[in-house]
Amino acid sequence: GIQVEQSPPDLILQEGANSTLRCNFSDSVNNLQWFHQNPWGQLINLFYIPSGTKQNGRLSATTVATERYSLLYISSSQTTDSGVYFCAPRGNDYKLSFGAGTTVTVRA
Amino acid sequence: DAGVTQSPTHLIKTRGQQVTLRCSPKSGHDTVSWYQQALGQGPQFIFQYYEEEERQRGNFPDRFSGHQFPNYSSELNVNALLLGDSALYLCASSSLRRVSEQYFGPGTRLTVT
Repeated sequence: GIQVEQSPPDLILQEGANSTLRCNFSDSVNNLQWFHQNPWGQLINLFYIPSGTKQNGRLSATTVATERYSLLYISSSQTTDSGVYFCAPRGNDYKLSFGAGTTVTVRA
Repeated sequence: DAGVTQSPTHLIKTRGQQVTLRCSPKSGHDTVSWYQQALGQGPQFIFQYYEEEERQRGNFPDRFSGHQFPNYSSELNVNALLLGDSALYLCASSSLRRVSEQYFGPGTRLTVT
C-alpha cells in the first residue's frame, strides 16, 4: 500500500497564526483527502484534492501529484482548529491510506 | 440529508467474546468501508463492501468479517476478541457512480477487557 508521512507530528499555534501541514506519499494516487478529527473521534472532510489547489474559508490545500506531496494551509487559526489532521491518499485500489497525522493545538 | 450513522457508540466486551458493529451509509451511497483506529494512530483499512460483496480486504485476520445488506447498510463482526482489538471502528461510505470521496461516521469505540 501507499506509505504516508505527515509533518510536523505536532504543532502548537497562537490564535491568529498561520501554518502549513505537509503530506508526502510513496506512490502515484488517484485521489487524496484531508480530514480533521475532532476530540470525539469524528473525521470531518476538509478537501477532496487529487491535484491542484482548493480553498474553503481559512483553509486551503494543494496537491502536486507528480511530486507526491500535498499541503494544507491554515490561516488565522482559531481554537476550534485544534485536533488531528490526516492526509489520506488512494492509489489504484479502493482503500484510503492514512498517515499518523499532525496534532494541532491552537492556544488562545 | 442524513450522514453516515454507526451503532453502538460505545461497547465493552470481554476477551473471547464476539461483537457486531453496524453502519448505515450516507443517502445515495452504495459502498461501505471499515477502518480500525488504535489510540494515537491513523485509521487502518479493514475491508470494503460493494453490491453485498467484499471488494477489497486489508491486512486483518479472518476473525474480522463483514456483510452488506440490499439497502447498502453494513455490519462488521469480530470473533474471539483480543485485548488488541480495542480501538475506534470507523465506517465510511462513498458512491461508485460519482467521485470516490469517502465520508466517515462518528465511530464505535470498542473496549476489550
